[in-house]
Amino acid sequence: EIVLTQSPGTLSLSPGERATLSCRASQSVNNNYLAWYQQKPGQAPRLLIYPASSRAAGIPDRFSGSGSGTDFTLTISRLEPEDFAVYYCQQCGTSPYTFGQGTKLEIK
Amino acid sequence: QVQLVESGGGLVKPGGSLRLSCAASGFTFSDYYMSWIRQAPGKGLEWVSYISSSGSTIKYADSVKGRFTVSRDNAKNSLYLQMDSLRAEDTAVYYCGRDGLPAGLYFDHWGQGALVTVSS
Repeated sequence: EIVLTQSPGTLSLSPGERATLSCRASQSVNNNYLAWYQQKPGQAPRLLIYPASSRAAGIPDRFSGSGSGTDFTLTISRLEPEDFAVYYCQQCGTSPYTFGQGTKLEIK
Repeated sequence: QVQLVESGGGLVKPGGSLRLSCAASGFTFSDYYMSWIRQAPGKGLEWVSYISSSGSTIKYADSVKGRFTVSRDNAKNSLYLQMDSLRAEDTAVYYCGRDGLPAGLYFDHWGQGALVTVSS
């Protein structure tokens, strides 16, 4: 099974700052099939990015994804108040389709 | 618009059974792979199972293999998860998710979730 490790576990930033979230895979992700999701308390996750660098429908362009192989990054260029949430990466190419443990983005 | 609505969650004793349903609307259900994903209280996400659009291909996570059974009824636009031999560690919110297509298994729409609590 591919293990995804997200870092940092918690990121404390202020609105307007830039956020960089990392997702590292224990082995190469097939065809860079990696997704990013955002989850707010009490809500279902929402798809942000797939595969690796393409924004899902309706996702603001301040969200961007990059990376390949085993190292992937989600960048939020200028944080808005509604961006503070938990972010998960998921590898979508090999069963079992594993998720990272999440990065909590909190207001500083 | 795409809607996924889970139902059937509740409290069950260890060793018991429960059947979850997911009612889909707003898209051609029979065109899409569907999955179940779960989230234990305060924890991360875990993919549980997927079923292909026709129902001919099914996969499970090792943690539920042999105990859970996924199925679908395309005529009723519905997805199901039969959960048997439930354990305390199966306690979680269970989400149904639509595969985004065209390649890889990712989830572009999610239901609101159904809470399953396994406790004596």
